Amino acid sequence: GAGVSQTPSNKVTEKGKYVELRCDPISGHTALYWYRQSLGQGPEFLIYFQGTGAADDSGLPNDRFFAVRPEGSVSTLKIQRTERGDSAVYLCASSLRTARDSPLHFGNGTRLTVT
Amino acid sequence: AQSVAQPEDQVNVAEGNPLTVKCTYSVSGNPYLFWYVQYPNRGLQFLLKYITGDNLVKGSYGFEAEFNKSQTSFHLKKPSALVSDSALYFCAVRETSGGYQKVTFGTGTKLQVIP
Repeated sequence: GAGVSQTPSNKVTEKGKYVELRCDPISGHTALYWYRQSLGQGPEFLIYFQGTGAADDSGLPNDRFFAVRPEGSVSTLKIQRTERGDSAVYLCASSLRTARDSPLHFGNGTRLTVT
Repeated sequence: AQSVAQPEDQVNVAEGNPLTVKCTYSVSGNPYLFWYVQYPNRGLQFLLKYITGDNLVKGSYGFEAEFNKSQTSFHLKKPSALVSDSALYFCAVRETSGGYQKVTFGTGTKLQVIP
């Protein structure tokens, strides 16, 4: 079946602009995660959704970052007033349930470049 | 707070030789431990997990990992390395206490298998 889909695969934007990154999880997966990965680093947790609600948004770096999942499926990560330091690969992952032994299924990521 | 350490940025091994990629963890409760692999320009793929039971767990592509509670380690191993195993490997931990669902990743280890 289809895996986690992230669009766009690449996004180049100018400093100060607004961007939206989309994640389409595996059908039926209730848990959805956003991570950010900088070059040479491991994935850094941003936010976790259980259904429509953000169960843990402690990883969002500041109030320029916001994420939604209005119908409990597709999620959008929104970044306002982008800065060069926001440049990274943004990874989305989903899992079948919130049980702690459920592995995460990752998309291929969106590479964001802020010029 | 939970954390994961991967002390080696890179591991080089000759094809056919056994390989080990090291991981240590820190959690306040019992850990759920995972290994993921990332190929160039791809998302992370789940390899294996430790939940409970046997300390030696087997996963995809002939990989296995050994859980050692006293040393708080979860090293990834393979008896005979293939060139196609060359990739970036991430160890991850999910804490079991409370309802916390965040999965924390290490910084990754680049495995280079030399023909």
